[in-house]
Amino acid sequence: GQSLEQPSEVTAVEGAIVQINCTYQTSGFYGLSWYQQHDGGAPTFLSYNGLDGLEETGRFSSFLSRSDSYGYLLLQELQMKDSASYFCAVRDKKAGNNRKLIWGLGTSLAVNP
Amino acid sequence: DTEVTQTPKHLVMGMTNKKSLKCEQHMGHRAMYWYKQKAKKPPELMFVYSYEKLSINESVPSRFSPECPNSSLLNLHLHALQPEDSALYLCASSQRAGAGADTQYFGPGTRLTVL
Repeated sequence: GQSLEQPSEVTAVEGAIVQINCTYQTSGFYGLSWYQQHDGGAPTFLSYNGLDGLEETGRFSSFLSRSDSYGYLLLQELQMKDSASYFCAVRDKKAGNNRKLIWGLGTSLAVNP
Repeated sequence: DTEVTQTPKHLVMGMTNKKSLKCEQHMGHRAMYWYKQKAKKPPELMFVYSYEKLSINESVPSRFSPECPNSSLLNLHLHALQPEDSALYLCASSQRAGAGADTQYFGPGTRLTVL
């Protein structure tokens, strides 16, 4: 089977840096994506790593190491509005199924003043 | 335009009712998705349409019936639902398969309550 593991909750203060880890067991996938979802809202795409290494998009960075079956999302200069759930997800590589995202259970980030 | 729209925003229905959820995108995406999401859980894939053909059905009960009238529209017909079907129903679209992110763009969802 395929599964992704993330911490269920993370708490941090404004201005801090937080790292949300995602470890996975999959038989083949195209890359690791991260989505953000605020309470009552819809998931929105944050970042994608198709290759090993670091991708940076403003205050957010994401990292992937296929050899370690591990990735993370790094959020810098935290703001109150970053309080949300963060999901890692991979796209299934199986023929006929490659539109399907396998989702982690999500990490609830609380940013305190 | 990077927006996926869904109607209605909220829906309350009895177990004997028939209702439909609607989704629309004008980004030229050729894949559209229905998800069900319960509180504090990840989205759970229900159906995928690729080039207007049903390509994935995640063994969803027949009381949920998807329809893709054209490349911009996606419907979900509901009939004889159960209270445990109460959830947020999300529609999404994406541009292409193959290698790459195939980023999914989500609509705001329909909050469904089954009484």
